[in-house]
Amino acid sequence: LAKTTQPISMDSYEGQEVNITCSHNNIATNDYITWYQQFPSQGPRFIIQGYKTKVTNEVASLFIPADRKSSTLSLPRVSLSDTAVYYCLVGDRYSGGYQKVTFGTGTKLQVIP
Amino acid sequence: GAVVSQHPSWVICKSGTSVKIECRSLDFQATTMFWYRQFPKQSLMLMATSNEGSKATYEQGVEKDKFLINHASLTLSTLTVTSAHPEDSSFYICSARPGLLNTGELFFGEGSRLTVL
Repeated sequence: LAKTTQPISMDSYEGQEVNITCSHNNIATNDYITWYQQFPSQGPRFIIQGYKTKVTNEVASLFIPADRKSSTLSLPRVSLSDTAVYYCLVGDRYSGGYQKVTFGTGTKLQVIP
Repeated sequence: GAVVSQHPSWVICKSGTSVKIECRSLDFQATTMFWYRQFPKQSLMLMATSNEGSKATYEQGVEKDKFLINHASLTLSTLTVTSAHPEDSSFYICSARPGLLNTGELFFGEGSRLTVL
């Protein structure tokens, strides 16, 4: 399983774009990169998933360089409600999906008014 | 999207009693479910992986006789904390992965907060 490393915490003002980078140096060929968001006392919620290059959905973008050893979650124009912990996970999507899913430390994003 | 429901969302019990937490996939069949424990200001810690119809695989350091996991059907997994003690107080979260049309996305329950007095 590829280990991930993220900053422990980040602060941002409302309306700014926030980029959270995750390092996964030993990512395997079949591994996908998935980001989850967790609010206090709630289960994590899926944000976005990608394999390479760029993926965009209605809430975020995911940038993955060619070597795939890192990825960056981009949240456009954050609001106070985006204050949460963001987790980067790496794992094999096929063959039944992730055989085991473990979480790293996550990044606690604090949005400031 | 797929929904995973946990029950109860919170429970308070006396030391020495057992508590059962249910995890249900409401609109899909989950061949695999994961149970996590999360202490305040910490990340999710994987406790065990359960596959329908087979014994759960526990992570190192997790007592299988204390945390009984049953995945009897494709939509239900239960975690029973036996002889609970105050140190077992935590936030327990389950997640499920669909067997069909699997995209690798995990669907998480709302979590169950256990407080042992």
